[in-house]
Amino acid sequence: GAVVSQHPSRVICKSGTSVKIECRSLDFQATTMFWYRQFPKQSLMLMATSNEGSKATYEQGVEKDKFLINHASLTLSTLTVTSAHPEDSSFYICSARDNRGAFGTEAFFGQGTRLTVV
Amino acid sequence: GNSVTQMEGPVTLSEEAFLTINCTYTATGYPSLFWYVQYPGEGLQLLLKATKADDKGSNKGFEATYRKETTSFHLEKGSVQVSDSAVYFCALSASGSARQLTFGSGTQLTVLP
Repeated sequence: GAVVSQHPSRVICKSGTSVKIECRSLDFQATTMFWYRQFPKQSLMLMATSNEGSKATYEQGVEKDKFLINHASLTLSTLTVTSAHPEDSSFYICSARDNRGAFGTEAFFGQGTRLTVV
Repeated sequence: GNSVTQMEGPVTLSEEAFLTINCTYTATGYPSLFWYVQYPGEGLQLLLKATKADDKGSNKGFEATYRKETTSFHLEKGSVQVSDSAVYFCALSASGSARQLTFGSGTQLTVLP
């Protein structure tokens, strides 16, 4: 299968600062990328979907001005948590899909980022 | 809406024991069903899937059968190994595509030697 690399794996930041999380497809072109959030002992919740070169589509209840998503190339998407607060502490996971390629509709996942806001 | 209810963990087994992780779902129509596995420090990987009723997905000794009558997709393995220790996620896709995955909460499995 294809590889998706997410960085950093862990980050601690101060309240009020911004944090950027990167998601890279290493050996395929990701026409679509997804960002999920997971609270302890809960499901992965889809936050937003982004297509390369287009604005992200956010799920209901997700603040687009707080969670900035950029998908400027076919191999990189970034999620920036702006003015982070302790309630933003969570596990963030990206996944990527090539709608045109041999993998069909399968999405491949990054290893996740543990964000802690203090 | 769609939802997935998954057996709570953690689950601890001895090597060569039989594994069952229960998963039930609520969805309209005919969803596709998936099991993903996350090994420590890695991303989620697709373990197996089934796209219609009575289909059986299988991979690496794991199996799950799509049971529409009981809305279930339980994961089973006859003899677990230490290397199977991971977190397992049940998921469904209402449209058959990965865009609309709905996940269960995950089950931590630890296999002891």
